[in-house]
Amino acid sequence: AQSVAQPEDQVNVAEGNPLTVKCTYSVSGNPYLFWYVQYPNRGLQFLLKYITGDNLVKGSYGFEAEFNKSQTSFHLKKPSALVSDSALYFCAVRDMRDSNYQLIWGAGTKLIIKP
Amino acid sequence: EAGVAQSPRYKIIEKRQSVAFWCNPISGHATLYWYQQILGQGPKLLIQFQNNGVVDDSQLPKDRFSAERLKGVDSTLKIQPAKLEDSAVYLCASSLPGTGGRETQYFGPGTRLLVL
Repeated sequence: AQSVAQPEDQVNVAEGNPLTVKCTYSVSGNPYLFWYVQYPNRGLQFLLKYITGDNLVKGSYGFEAEFNKSQTSFHLKKPSALVSDSALYFCAVRDMRDSNYQLIWGAGTKLIIKP
Repeated sequence: EAGVAQSPRYKIIEKRQSVAFWCNPISGHATLYWYQQILGQGPKLLIQFQNNGVVDDSQLPKDRFSAERLKGVDSTLKIQPAKLEDSAVYLCASSLPGTGGRETQYFGPGTRLLVL
């Protein structure tokens, strides 16, 4: 079955430390992977996506994600966390079996950055 | 470039009442989506439009929900009658025409609905 897992409901990181938000996927064929961020009372904002090419994808606000095909993972990373990074993060993958290529969403990970 | 616009931002109604949400996509985006996001969960697709045609409405509760996209630009999502379990954030998103799944969806700020 096509699925996305975000194994951590919440991640706590001290400001200035590196952060990682985990995402694993299960899809048929080559995956198209996305990360979005949601701030309180706001819609989802696109951070980055992996389609093909370099396994390290750089996105908005200093975030990057590493595609690892052997581990079927697409973890979101940032070298130095800011308090303003505190938000809800969603990983999503395209369902390439679906003719409309619908997105399959993870349940989200709450990221808390402590000063 | 203006983003996806939605209104209202908040709505409180009583069960069995009706409610409507409006969305204006990014200019030039032919594809429009309506999602329902329940607290603590990822978004759930309700309906997808390509221009003014419905591409996918398989998860839309058609006995109470309806949506239209006249003239292929802005769209309205309606709930009639509302139930308590409809309390959620309704997100509208848009994207350029499909490129085999590579396109990015851009979201509006959402409408938070509370049904009492």
